Amino acid sequence: KQEVTQIPAALSVPEGENLVLNCSFTDSAIYNLQWFRQDPGKGLTSLLLIQSSQREQTSGRLNASLDKSSGRSTLYIAASQPGDSATYLCAVNSDRGSTLGRLYFGRGTQLTVWP
Amino acid sequence: GEEVAQTPKHLVRGEGQKAKLYCAPIKGHSYVFWYQQVLKNEFKFLISFQNENVFDETGMPKERFSAKCLPNSPCSLEIQATKLEDSAVYFCASSPLRSGDNGYTFGSGTRLTVV
Repeated sequence: KQEVTQIPAALSVPEGENLVLNCSFTDSAIYNLQWFRQDPGKGLTSLLLIQSSQREQTSGRLNASLDKSSGRSTLYIAASQPGDSATYLCAVNSDRGSTLGRLYFGRGTQLTVWP
Repeated sequence: GEEVAQTPKHLVRGEGQKAKLYCAPIKGHSYVFWYQQVLKNEFKFLISFQNENVFDETGMPKERFSAKCLPNSPCSLEIQATKLEDSAVYFCASSPLRSGDNGYTFGSGTRLTVV
């Protein structure tokens, strides 16, 4: 069974810092990996999607890398802002035939960026 | 519309009562997924549909949970005889592709509280 772990569980930083959020998964048979953001009381906002054949994806101040063979992904946030405060979730899409489409989520990293 | 609409936003049920949750996927999205978020950030996959057909229900506690996606109607998730442990936020997601190559769009969730 796929297990997804996110480190750290919580992070509190001053504005302007560059951040690294880590995600690891136990089964390398993945189809793709997504990073989501969840604000309190809200749904999930998709940030970046990396296909299993890709190494990284970038969107604005966000960059996500994927090392499928070692079961790791990293989300980099450059020049953090208070508006980045949220919970960041990593989700892996299984490539195991009938379970394709099922996302396995980590427990998230709760980020607080203070002014 | 370009959002997944979930209703109601909040639902309170006494233990043993029935609960019914609704999800309107984005038009043109053939795939619908239900997740349960219990405690903080622990997402559990429940069931997925391709149009009105179930294609993965291995996450569903079948004794009390059931789900449907009928043509021209919102999808529904029904819990018979709710228990305290069913208290959670239930999220629905839709996608045009099972693999999520274009990403999964999540609704804002229904918070079910069983008292």
